[in-house]
Amino acid sequence: LAKTTQPISMDSYEGQEVNITCSHNNIATNDYITWYQQFPSQGPRFIIQGYKTKVTNEVASLFIPADRKSSTLSLPRVSLSDTAVYYCLVGDPRNTDKLIFGTGTRLQVFP
Amino acid sequence: DVKVTQSSRYLVKRTGEKVFLECVQDMDHENMFWYRQDPGLGLRLIYFSYDVKMKEKGDIPEGYSVSREKKERFSLILESASTNQTSMYLCASSDGFPMNTEAFFGQGTRLTVV
Repeated sequence: LAKTTQPISMDSYEGQEVNITCSHNNIATNDYITWYQQFPSQGPRFIIQGYKTKVTNEVASLFIPADRKSSTLSLPRVSLSDTAVYYCLVGDPRNTDKLIFGTGTRLQVFP
Repeated sequence: DVKVTQSSRYLVKRTGEKVFLECVQDMDHENMFWYRQDPGLGLRLIYFSYDVKMKEKGDIPEGYSVSREKKERFSLILESASTNQTSMYLCASSDGFPMNTEAFFGQGTRLTVV
């Protein structure tokens, strides 16, 4: 499983776009990038997954450059309810038998 | 909706007690996981199971054991609770290879060992 590095924390204000970058220099050819979100006092929940270029859903966008050594989770126009910890996971979806979470990025949104 | 239910939200136990944390999922998922979460350390995998009666050690299995007698239930056992096992424990389940599908988490059990 590729090791990931994320900032420990980030601050933002309501209405701003937030970009959280994850570094995964030793990502393997078959690895996908997955992001989870964890609200206080709850278990993590899946946000988005991608392999290359850009993926968008109703919650976030995921940007992956051509070399795939990093990825950026983009949250448009954050609100106070987006205050959470965001985890970046990297692994091969065809043969990874476990989920390994790092320490994540704690996002604090202020009014 | 998938539901992963942990038997207790809060638990207080004494040092040396045998502690059982129960987790039940209702979507016939193959994989189940136990994590503990501590401030500054993120989620750390204790044990996981990809089938009934099968178990694999995660990153921090010492002091813990697990049991999976039925597909829907995965139990975490602290054979002799110690104060350094005070933590938030999270159970999760997923189908197929966990990086290929969404994993669903329970609400967590906050265990305090005194």
